[in-house]
Order: sequence, then C-alpha cells, then structure tokens
Amino acid sequence: DARVTQTPRHKVTEMGQEVTMRCQPILGHNTVFWYRQTMMQGLELLAYFRNRAPLDDSGMPKDRFSAEMPDATLATLKIQPSEPRDSAVYFCASGLVRGQFQETQYFGPGTRLLVL
Amino acid sequence: AQSVTQLDSQVPVFEEAPVELRCNYSSSVSVYLFWYVQYPNQGLQLLLKYLSGSTLVKGINGFEAEFNKSQTSFHLRKPSVHISDTAEYFCAVTAGGGSYIPTFGRGTSLIVHP
Repeated sequence: DARVTQTPRHKVTEMGQEVTMRCQPILGHNTVFWYRQTMMQGLELLAYFRNRAPLDDSGMPKDRFSAEMPDATLATLKIQPSEPRDSAVYFCASGLVRGQFQETQYFGPGTRLLVL
Repeated sequence: AQSVTQLDSQVPVFEEAPVELRCNYSSSVSVYLFWYVQYPNQGLQLLLKYLSGSTLVKGINGFEAEFNKSQTSFHLRKPSVHISDTAEYFCAVTAGGGSYIPTFGRGTSLIVHP
C-alpha cells in the first residue's frame, strides 16, 4: 500500500532557527503539493510541483520559505529563519495529472511544527 | 478560476441519524469533484470522487455524494452515522482546461454525539 511519507512528524524549534521538512511522494506520481494547515486560515497551498518543476509558489512567503524537489523521491520545504507565526501542520501530497485534470491527491501524515 | 463553498462549518448529529454535508462550487469549465476526510492528527484521505458518468457516487464508510450540474453542488450524505465518523470533511474541485491545482473548501466539522 503506497503512501506519502513525511519527516519529521513533530518539530519544536526556537525562533530564528532553520527548519527543513521532507516528503517522499508515491512512486510514479507526477505532482507534489505542500500545504499548511492552521485553525485560523484552514488549508493553504504553499507550493506545487509537476514533473519536479516548481509551477506555483504564490502562497509561500518567499523571504523565508523555499521548496525544492532535488529528485523524484524527495521534496523539501525549508523555513529560514523560522518565526512563531509559522507554527502549523505542514502537509505534503502527491498525485497524478491525467490529461487536463489533477486526479486524487494522496496526503502524508503531516509535520507538526511549533516555533517558540 | 474555480471556487468551493462548504456552507456549514460545523454539523452536530446524534449517532445513527442521517447527515448531509453541503458543497457548492463554481467553475466555467468541466470539473472533477472530491470529498476528503481528515481524522484527528492525520492527513486528508479520499472519501469519494466524481470524474464522469453516474452522478451518484459511492465512497468508503457508507458515504455517498450526488453531482448536480445545474445546481453546481456535490453534497455528501450518509444514512446513519457512527461515532467514528467524527472528523473534518473537505470538498475539493479540480477544473479542466489546464488548471491543475485543486481548490479546497474551508471544511465541515462533523460531530457525532452518542
């Protein structure tokens, strides 16, 4: 049963520190998404990759966030420097684009980040 | 651009009662529609989806949804809920024409009371 994996599952850090979150998408999927979930804002799209190319990062604070896919088995989301307002659950999802549509997204278990 | 509206932020029901969670969307082109469920401290997982064909779609855990093109709705229903159905439910839409990024609703919290 193929799954999206994310590491770490939990992270507590101090303001100003660098945070790196990793995601292993399902083998064969050609799209990867990074989302942030908070009580106040709900589910927000941060970044979108298709065939490893970054296509949309308009939802990401560019001065401190960066997202990359160094290879097909790894996607990373970095925050440098981190701030308390970055505390949230970060989800990675992967899926397939077929024709004109994005099909089902498969979500990882999330990284729960707390910035003190 | 497409949009999704989940009309209820919270739906409390008693166990074994029927439930309907409402979802309306807007799009100028054809769409794929999804319902995802998120249990506490977990990621979202697919409940059911409409791609084409029959407008009544059956999913996991006894849920079903009906695609209504004229009313641009995709409401989720279950005839008899269990305590274990307590979760957050998200409606999502992907539009054709090359817009590959799904749009999610704000979510509906289903709270099942004994």
